[in-house]
Amino acid sequence: GENVEQHPSTLSVQEGDSAVIKCTYSDSASNYFPWYKQELGKRPQLIIDIRSNVGEKKDQRIAVTLNKTAKHFSLHITETQPEDSAVYFCAASNMNRDDKIIFGKGTRLHILP
Amino acid sequence: GAVVSQHPSRVICKSGTSVKIECRSLDFQATTMFWYRQFPKQSLMLMATSNEGSKATYEQGVEKDKFLINHASLTLSTLTVTSAHPEDSSFYICSARDPIYEQYFGPGTRLTVT
Repeated sequence: GENVEQHPSTLSVQEGDSAVIKCTYSDSASNYFPWYKQELGKRPQLIIDIRSNVGEKKDQRIAVTLNKTAKHFSLHITETQPEDSAVYFCAASNMNRDDKIIFGKGTRLHILP
Repeated sequence: GAVVSQHPSRVICKSGTSVKIECRSLDFQATTMFWYRQFPKQSLMLMATSNEGSKATYEQGVEKDKFLINHASLTLSTLTVTSAHPEDSSFYICSARDPIYEQYFGPGTRLTVT
């Protein structure tokens, strides 16, 4: 089955700097890669997703890149702000098989003032 | 994004009793819903996949007789924790998959068993 590894587990960046979170997956058939942000005590929120027919997707300060050959994908947050502090989860699944989504263990992002 | 509601948000029950948690997709039909359990500072642990009109698929190690799941309609799935024990105390979150495969989470239910 699919296995998703996420790094780092904790990340601290200065406000205004960029943050990068990386994930790898094991099943080459996976074709859907969402990213979720979870603030303390709240639900995970879908912030961006990418499907395997594209290599990059951007939404304002957030971008995700996908390298299918290497089986890794990354989340990039530019011009970080205090409200970006949260836990971020990457995930992977195969839409064609209607598979469940497999989550990484999460990255706790701290934005330093 | 789509909206998923979950009720109740918090519940305290005595050991041995049963608790029902409801998950609703408010603005879309969800043929598939998921139930997760989350421990403090940890990732989401999938408990089961709930498909409308059929039996739920449970993950390894999850007792299906203890965690009863019913997906009676395209907008409602319920999780019943039967004969609850203190070790069942946790944060339970549901999610629903929309027609374009995006998955949205409910706000979660904090269960405390005394």
